[in-house]
Amino acid sequence: GENVEQHPSTLSVQEGDSAVIKCTYSDSASNYFPWYKQELGKRPQLIIDIRSNVGEKKDQRIAVTLNKTAKHFSLHITETQPEDSAVYFCAAAETGGGNKLTFGTGTQLKVEL
Amino acid sequence: ETGVTQTPRHLVMGMTNKKSLKCEQHLGHNAMYWYKQSAKKPLELMFVYNFKEQTENNSVPSRFSPECPNSSHLFLHLHTLQPEDSALYLCASSQIAGVRTTEAFFGQGTRLTVV
Repeated sequence: GENVEQHPSTLSVQEGDSAVIKCTYSDSASNYFPWYKQELGKRPQLIIDIRSNVGEKKDQRIAVTLNKTAKHFSLHITETQPEDSAVYFCAAAETGGGNKLTFGTGTQLKVEL
Repeated sequence: ETGVTQTPRHLVMGMTNKKSLKCEQHLGHNAMYWYKQSAKKPLELMFVYNFKEQTENNSVPSRFSPECPNSSHLFLHLHTLQPEDSALYLCASSQIAGVRTTEAFFGQGTRLTVV
């Protein structure tokens, strides 16, 4: 089955700096890579996703890159703000198999003033 | 507000109790999922229902019994649980449509404590 590894487990940045979280996956059949943000006591919510037919996707301050050859994908947050503080999870799935997401272990991001 | 609703939000049960978790989605999706979120562990997929048919059971102990009476409702029946089963149980739904498959939308979760 799929195995997703995520690093770092904790990340502390100063407000305004950039943050980068990296994930690797093992199953070359995976073609869908979402990123979820989970604030304390709340549900995971999708912030951005990328499918295997593109290498990069951007949405305002958030971008995701995908390297299919190396089987890794990364989340980039620029101009970080205190409200970006949360746990971020990467995931991988093969959509033809029913969107069964395999999650990484999460990254606790703390944006300090 | 999310289209996936879970009840109850919190549950404390003894090891000999029987209880059920409920999930309802109002998004018109055809697939529903149960995930378990424990401290310092990734979200673990437990069960998948696609068009009301169970398509995945990730080696989940039989003390967890899912039920999907229709594409909008999903239950997780619990009996004779162990303290290590204490966790946040998250329900999710998505629309399975090949390459057009949507993201998974999560409910708020049920915080379960087994005493």
